[in-house]
Amino acid sequence: EADIYQTPRYLVIGTGKKITLECSQTMGHDKMYWYQQDPGMELHLIHYSYGVNSTEKGDLSSESTVSRIRTEHFPLTLESARPSHTSQYLCASSEYVSGTGNTIYFGEGSWLTVV
Amino acid sequence: SQKIEQNSEALNIQEGKTATLTCNYTNYSPAYLQWYRQDPGRGPVFLLLIRENEKEKRKERLKVTFDTTLKQSLFHITASQPADSATYLCALDMKQGGKLIFGQGTELSVKP
Repeated sequence: EADIYQTPRYLVIGTGKKITLECSQTMGHDKMYWYQQDPGMELHLIHYSYGVNSTEKGDLSSESTVSRIRTEHFPLTLESARPSHTSQYLCASSEYVSGTGNTIYFGEGSWLTVV
Repeated sequence: SQKIEQNSEALNIQEGKTATLTCNYTNYSPAYLQWYRQDPGRGPVFLLLIRENEKEKRKERLKVTFDTTLKQSLFHITASQPADSATYLCALDMKQGGKLIFGQGTELSVKP
């Protein structure tokens, strides 16, 4: 069982509000990721981090921002939510192990609906 | 260009049969190829991986093959059960690259 937690699981919020999706992992992994996924669609990497104070944009452009001040914590923030931000956001972490590579552990996801 | 492709159409099979899912890629040289299972509304869960120098890997009812010449992996579920119904994603893991490259997934439906 993966020790990676996301809150909230479900959030309905009005347009223009600021939101932060929380993600924590207790495995001590250096690498953390945020993916965006619409129902029935593929995963899109929007942010990743290789360690504390290291963040990079992913393959899909996103108006969200992330921070990595502590190894275990990787929050995602939207300064002004819009209906186009409605989606599922999945947080994940991994650690490179010689012989098995990077196995990614996902959280349960945060479903965001912007009305 | 680089791309990774899985069967785009859903796979419907009868309980007890073997399900075979395909993952093809171009212009990548992965060190590992991984398979994940994703249930609706949940995050993907790691199932198993195969290394670039391995041809076949088994885990219980699961079998994965890896052909680096064809740039293809096949994922088999033998004696399939309705509980195996889910979306299955393949992912390429480059040497120490950190980011996995995910396929779009194939939805499997096993009918009783």
